Amino acid sequence: EDKVVQSPLSLVVHEGDTVTLNCSYEVTNFRSLLWYKQEKKAPTFLFMLTSSGIEKKSGRLSSILDKKELFSILNITATQTGDSAVYLCAVQNTGKLIFGQGTTLQVKP
Amino acid sequence: NAGVTQTPKFRVLKTGQSMTLLCAQDMNHEYMYWYRQDPGMGLRLIHYSVGEGTTAKGEVPDGYNVSRLKKQNFLLGLESAAPSQTSVYFCASSYRGDEKLFFGSGTQLSVL
Repeated sequence: EDKVVQSPLSLVVHEGDTVTLNCSYEVTNFRSLLWYKQEKKAPTFLFMLTSSGIEKKSGRLSSILDKKELFSILNITATQTGDSAVYLCAVQNTGKLIFGQGTTLQVKP
Repeated sequence: NAGVTQTPKFRVLKTGQSMTLLCAQDMNHEYMYWYRQDPGMGLRLIHYSVGEGTTAKGEVPDGYNVSRLKKQNFLLGLESAAPSQTSVYFCASSYRGDEKLFFGSGTQLSVL
């Protein structure tokens, strides 16, 4: 059975801290791994990763995929209160997108 | 730009009632999906469709039916609602199925 597991499930940090969110997966036909940010409503897209070892970066956020060890990390540097959200990892398997449980990040002023 | 539109946004049902959630996309996407989201559970795939006239089961299909009679619409039906179906429902679509999904704004459903 396909599985995506995120850790930690929740995290509380202070502004300026750096955080690392983890995502491990087991799927039969891996196509890509995606990260989404969810605040109050629908998830918004952050990154899509298909190749190992190539870092994707957008401002203070970055992500990398390890297809040999079957995991990905999402880094957020110099966190701000606006980064408070649920971060979702998802893996594509022949047309289906399977999500992990999400990591709830709270950034305190 | 409408993108993915879900109706209704909120609904309260009594146990045993039926209802249909409508998802419409105007991006000419082939793939469409229905997810439910419960606290601490992330998003779980209910059913999906890889093109007009096709449907397939996801992770949690029991108690739901779907139809994709037109390419732009994907309907999710609950024939006999149960309290366990209280959840937030998200529809999503993508062009090829191997790229990012575009999400609707969600439907909050409560079954009493």
